[in-house]
Parts: sequence; structure tokens; C-alpha cells
Amino acid sequence: KNQVEQSPQSLIILEGKNCTLQCNYTVSPFSNLRWYKQDTGRGPVSLTIMTFSENTKSNGRYTATLDADTKQSSLHITASQLSDSASYICVVSAGKSTFGDGTTLTVKP
Amino acid sequence: DAMVIQNPRYQVTQFGKPVTLSCSQTLNHNVMYWYQQKSSQAPKLLFHYYDKDFNNEADTPDNFQSRRPNTSFCFLDIRSPGLGDAAMYLCATSGRTSGGSKETQYFGPGTRLLVL
Repeated sequence: KNQVEQSPQSLIILEGKNCTLQCNYTVSPFSNLRWYKQDTGRGPVSLTIMTFSENTKSNGRYTATLDADTKQSSLHITASQLSDSASYICVVSAGKSTFGDGTTLTVKP
Repeated sequence: DAMVIQNPRYQVTQFGKPVTLSCSQTLNHNVMYWYQQKSSQAPKLLFHYYDKDFNNEADTPDNFQSRRPNTSFCFLDIRSPGLGDAAMYLCATSGRTSGGSKETQYFGPGTRLLVL
């Protein structure tokens, strides 16, 4: 069964600090991996998308990495801001998309 | 700006009373999706359209139906809402556009459904 597991489930950090969110998957064959940011009560917004041949992709303060051999991805957030407080969802596609349950990030002043 | 629009943002209905949620897009994408998302859970795909071809997920209840009268619009009909159907309903699109990835899904803001 294709699965996407994200950790931690929730995370609290202070404004200005960095953090890293993890995504492990068993989806096969692999097409692409996407990270989304979902603000409370809103739809997910795409942050990055990576194919099998890409191992890093940046979008401003967000940097995603991918290790297709170990089936792991991480999302690194640099110099966090209060507006980074949201749920971050990892989605892995093999034709069909499998969603992780997300990591809820809270950034405190 | 090209976007995915969902109306209404909040919908209140009564137990058993049919309700329709709407989604429109200006992205000219050929694929449209409907997801159900409950609190602190991942979005769950209900069905999707590839152009006019309807693709239902195996575990989507018969209570949920969909219509796509044209490329821009897609509707989610819940024939007899139960208390367990209260959730956020997300519409998404994907498809080739200039400068965009075919695989990236673009989500609307969602419609939060409350069943009384």
C-alpha cells in the first residue's frame, strides 16, 4: 500500500529560527513529490515540486530535498516568520497522488 | 490572476437536505478534482474529471455525485448529507499551462460544510 508519513506531527519554534520537516514514503513507482503549505481554513498552496532526478528545490526561504534511494524528503524553512504558521503537506505521485497527514508548524514571537 | 474559485466559502445545510458546492477555474486546466478534508487529516480524493471523463474513487460513497458541464466549472452534489459529511471540501485543478507543471495541483480556498 502506498503511504506517505510525515514527522513531526506538530512543531513549535520561535520566530527567526530554522526548522526541518520530514517526509518518508513508500509510493512506487515514483513520479514526483510536492510540498504544500495550508493555512488554517484555506486550500493548500504549492511550495515545491521535485521529480526523480532532482534532489533539491528552493522557493524563497523554503528548501526541499529529495533522496529517491531512501525515499525521504525534507522541507527546510529558514529564518521563520509568524506567517509560516500553517500545516505543511507532503504529496507523492505515482500517477495517483498520496497525501501525508501534514506537519502543523506554529511560529511564536 | 488565473485561479481556482470555490463558492460558497461556508455552507450550512440540514441533515438529509441536498446541497451543491461549486468550483470554477480560469487556468484552462483539463483535470479537476474534488477532495474532502476533515480536521487534522489529509485531503481525501473523492473523484476527478480528466476532461469530460469522470473517475470515481472506489471508496467514495454514492451520496456524493459530481457534474462538469464545461472546462471551467465543476460541481459537487451531496444528495443526503449526514453529520459525518461535515468537512472542508477542496477543489483542485491540474494540466499544462505555459510556465506551469503538468503535475502540480492548484487548490481553491475550500468550502467548509456544516450539517445541522
